Amino acid sequence: TQLLEQSPQFLSIQEGENLTVYCNSSSVFSSLQWYRQEPGEGPVLLVTVVTGGEVKKLKRLTFQFGDARKDSSLHITAAQPGDTGLYLCAGAGDSSYKLIFGSGTRLLVRP
Amino acid sequence: DTEVTQTPKHLVMGMTNKKSLKCEQHMGHRAMYWYKQKAKKPPELMFVYSYEKLSINESVPSRFSPECPNSSLLNLHLHALQPEDSALYLCASSQDWGTGGAAGYTFGSGTRLTVV
Repeated sequence: TQLLEQSPQFLSIQEGENLTVYCNSSSVFSSLQWYRQEPGEGPVLLVTVVTGGEVKKLKRLTFQFGDARKDSSLHITAAQPGDTGLYLCAGAGDSSYKLIFGSGTRLLVRP
Repeated sequence: DTEVTQTPKHLVMGMTNKKSLKCEQHMGHRAMYWYKQKAKKPPELMFVYSYEKLSINESVPSRFSPECPNSSLLNLHLHALQPEDSALYLCASSQDWGTGGAAGYTFGSGTRLTVV
């Protein structure tokens, strides 16, 4: 069974601070996605990474896929209250097309 | 249209009731999914439909019955549910089953189900 562990589980920071969320597995994934979910809403896709070592930037968000395609990180620069939400990584395996979600990181950015 | 629309947004049902959740997308996506999400947990896959055929049933109890009437619609029929089935039920779609992992999923806003 493929598992994705995210850390930290919960993060409370002040507006303007930087943060990094990690997504780790012992399994190889063909691609990895990051979603953000707000209370009472469905997850919204932020980015998909498919190549080992790939780095993608989305304004203040930087996503990296590990060289071995087993882990990923999300770095947010100068966090804003609007970044508050549940961040989920999700991976699709090499042998299974099922999208497996990580355990989630709940981010609170205080004004 | 780049949305997945789910109705109803909220549903309260008794343990003897029969109800249905509906999901619609007009993006031409050929894979559609049902996920269940409990409070403070990640979504868990329930069913996958690919080209209107059931591809995956993640050992979901038979009191949940999915249906895909056409390429744009996905239903989830509910019967004799238990209070522990209370959760947020999410519908999602992707270009197709094989490439969904690379292209990403589009999720609906979900149906908040409460079983009393």
